[in-house]
Amino acid sequence: GAGVSQSPSNKVTEKGKDVELRCDPISGHTALYWYRQSLGQGLEFLIYFQGNSAPDKSGLPSDRFSAERTGGSVSTLTIQRTQQEDSAVYLCASTKWGRASDTQYFGPGTRLTVL
Amino acid sequence: GESVGLHLPTLSVQEGDNSIINCAYSNSASDYFIWYKQESGKGPQFIIDIRSNMDKRQGQRVTVLLNKTVKHLSLQIAATQPGDSAVYFCAENSDGGYQKVTFGIGTKLQVIP
Repeated sequence: GAGVSQSPSNKVTEKGKDVELRCDPISGHTALYWYRQSLGQGLEFLIYFQGNSAPDKSGLPSDRFSAERTGGSVSTLTIQRTQQEDSAVYLCASTKWGRASDTQYFGPGTRLTVL
Repeated sequence: GESVGLHLPTLSVQEGDNSIINCAYSNSASDYFIWYKQESGKGPQFIIDIRSNMDKRQGQRVTVLLNKTVKHLSLQIAATQPGDSAVYFCAENSDGGYQKVTFGIGTKLQVIP
């Protein structure tokens, strides 16, 4: 079975441009998470989707960040008017049920570089 | 969260020796702890977990120890191999309905052949 996939693997953009990052979770997983990992730092929680419930957006750093999950599967993280401080690796993870004891399966990440 | 800038704590270990990676957590309400391994260019990968009602759990070549009194978690890797070289993260969460995990900064393990 395929794991979590993310695209693109690398994205270089100019300051002020919008970017879209895609995550394909493991088939059948109901919960999906986005994290940001800056150079030499831990993972920063951004947003969480669970089934048809309203997403937990408490980790989004600004209103330039948004995410959606269509049909309970694929998710897109959008960053508008990118800034240099947005440069990081954006990681997506999915779990089967979203319970505390469920293992998070991570994708390889998208490395975003804002020039 | 806290930041250590560009310099992760690094542990250098001779191949074949045992490795001990330590982690301090802050939330006394956390009841579930996980260790992840992240190799260069890849996403984190689950290694082992432990619940707060346990103080030790063993896996294949790995052991996690939990000391709730001092809020300390450790990962022991037996007979460290070159393939163990990676950044190791501890993570914690509370079983509050869904899994909102808080990750630590990470420790870089370098295995010397």
